[in-house]
Amino acid sequence: GAGVSQSPSNKVTEKGKDVELRCDPISGHTALYWYRQSLGQGLEFLIYFQGNSAPDKSGLPSDRFSAERTGGSVSTLTIQRTQQEDSAVYLCASSLARLQGAKNIQYFGAGTRLSVL
Amino acid sequence: AQSVAQPEDQVNVAEGNPLTVKCTYSVSGNPYLFWYVQYPNRGLQFLLKYITGDNLVKGSYGFEAEFNKSQTSFHLKKPSALVSDSALYFCAVKNDYKLSFGAGTTVTVRA
Repeated sequence: GAGVSQSPSNKVTEKGKDVELRCDPISGHTALYWYRQSLGQGLEFLIYFQGNSAPDKSGLPSDRFSAERTGGSVSTLTIQRTQQEDSAVYLCASSLARLQGAKNIQYFGAGTRLSVL
Repeated sequence: AQSVAQPEDQVNVAEGNPLTVKCTYSVSGNPYLFWYVQYPNRGLQFLLKYITGDNLVKGSYGFEAEFNKSQTSFHLKKPSALVSDSALYFCAVKNDYKLSFGAGTTVTVRA
């Protein structure tokens, strides 16, 4: 597609339920990233994929959080047993291959706003 | 650790006046610096980046940024602000693949 697509745009769930957030990166982008935006913590890095592997999961806040990427394209971020502190906007970004590392521009989707009641 | 700081939570300017959004950085080695803008209920949009070369970087929508090594700053500027520039602006530094963001600055341009 033309840009990074995320779904759903909004998700309201009850505490304790599991949720799945989807990200469809820009076609041809092999690198994919998840960030979280919350009032208290600002913008935080969660995880980075190069192809289907995740060399850096260091930003995942707990073992309730997991992510996978299949076919080098779509990624799913799963939060199990959601808690109220998980409420945030989850942003996905993609970029070209890591050939030039830090020089690559990350392009962001519109995000999924998660509200845990 | 690499980081950026945005010292102002809010910037208010009148339409037609110059706009400056401040950012300072702390890095070891060469800094890779970025500016993004976020409109309500939208994702982050890339404005410009500094990798190397000229200290004045030109980006989208008439924005530019000046890299100052001695002051470790990367301030975002626009000579004549528009009401439509009202948004949340983020400065970021990149370490290989990971972006580290500042807290953001809310810009309000009044008509």
